[in-house]
Amino acid sequence: AQSVTQLDSQVPVFEEAPVELRCNYSSSVSVYLFWYVQYPNQGLQLLLKYLSGSTLVESINGFEAEFNKSQTSFHLRKPSVHISDTAEYFCAVSGAGSYQLTFGKGTKLSVIP
Amino acid sequence: NAGVMQNPRHLVRRRGQEARLRCSPMKGHSHVYWYRQLPEEGLKFMVYLQKENIIDESGMPKERFSAEFPKEGPSILRIQQVVRGDSAAYFCASSLSDRGGNTIYFGEGSWLTVV
Repeated sequence: AQSVTQLDSQVPVFEEAPVELRCNYSSSVSVYLFWYVQYPNQGLQLLLKYLSGSTLVESINGFEAEFNKSQTSFHLRKPSVHISDTAEYFCAVSGAGSYQLTFGKGTKLSVIP
Repeated sequence: NAGVMQNPRHLVRRRGQEARLRCSPMKGHSHVYWYRQLPEEGLKFMVYLQKENIIDESGMPKERFSAEFPKEGPSILRIQQVVRGDSAAYFCASSLSDRGGNTIYFGEGSWLTVV
């Protein structure tokens, strides 16, 4: 079984400032890791995922996440946020080879003009 | 290419009534999943279905909840005799295969409110 901890429930940040959303996981097996974004009253959209290979993965809108096996972390970062990044971000994990996603409780990112 | 379609988007039911939530997966996807999001919580897996088969219902409450994915038509999540604690957002998702790491696409959710 896996579990995911998102340490911050809310993160306010000024526009154009950098941001890091933290995610730690626990698992007894190899894992795949995901970040999803949820805009108000919408479904989840996949932002990026780590399956294998390079530990640094990037999304098309400037976010990146780094898989750190020793620290069991998969923190999400962006060097300069925009108002449109305001949303809730969910970290998720699945056992390698499994379809079932285990989600964290989410982090609400509020970008302040 | 339409995404995962869910309806209704919002549903209000009185305690004791039935709620039916429908989900049409993305075109070409035969793997359907239902997740529930309680207030201030992350999504929790409920059930995984393929056409005419329930593959994994380990996250589904044992009573009052059922799911199906018939040969024709959408997947249905049915909640009988709803209670206030069933108020949540229910998300359907689909994928091309069930291999780990395969991208799972989510619908926009159905928000159930029990009054």
